[in-house]
Amino acid sequence: SAVISQKPSRDICQRGTSLTIQCQVDSQVTMMFWYRQQPGQSLTLIATANQGSEATYESGFVIDKFPISRPNLTFSTLTVSNMSPEDSSIYLCSVGGGTQYFGPGTRLTVL
Amino acid sequence: QQQVKQSPQSLIVQKGGISIINCAYENTAFDYFPWYQQFPGKGPALLIAIRPDVSEKKEGRFTISFNKSAKQFSLHIMDSQPGDSATYFCAASSNSGGYQKVTFGTGTKLQVIP
Repeated sequence: SAVISQKPSRDICQRGTSLTIQCQVDSQVTMMFWYRQQPGQSLTLIATANQGSEATYESGFVIDKFPISRPNLTFSTLTVSNMSPEDSSIYLCSVGGGTQYFGPGTRLTVL
Repeated sequence: QQQVKQSPQSLIVQKGGISIINCAYENTAFDYFPWYQQFPGKGPALLIAIRPDVSEKKEGRFTISFNKSAKQFSLHIMDSQPGDSATYFCAASSNSGGYQKVTFGTGTKLQVIP
């Protein structure tokens, strides 16, 4: 298993601004994943971040809106850009294979 | 397109009862089927998982039943306790470009009442 921390745990932001979420893992991993969980909904994969290469985005998610950095094998950031109220969600990072280990999530509210 | 269908959306069970959550999938390439438990304010955590070559797996009060031909699997929680009150997600994964891509069900909010 892996221990994952995220910062911030929650934030309230104004429309049109950007927020960068940090994810730290306690061990070196090749792949890191970013998910979005809208209120009362399931988890939707935003992108896969592989250290040393560009992130791979799922259908419906684009790099301009959700730029991702992966500077080393234990850290990644997800930025939610030009936010609107529709971006209000919990954002989760994870690692692993068939079994995913999740961070505690970042609860984002956009006003 | 939702590839993993989960039901019911919510479930209320009395303490000591059996909680049953069902999932169905379409993609025969799925080769691993985990269940996750999520408490409010926390990330999902692995509860139990099964591979398609096994029809049943039991860990304590939690059992997965798997029907490969019907492409269905279910979670049974025996002797349900108030502490089991959480949201449960079934999931299915398959190899995608060198890594396991996980697809989650829609979730079931379980409430166990004393």
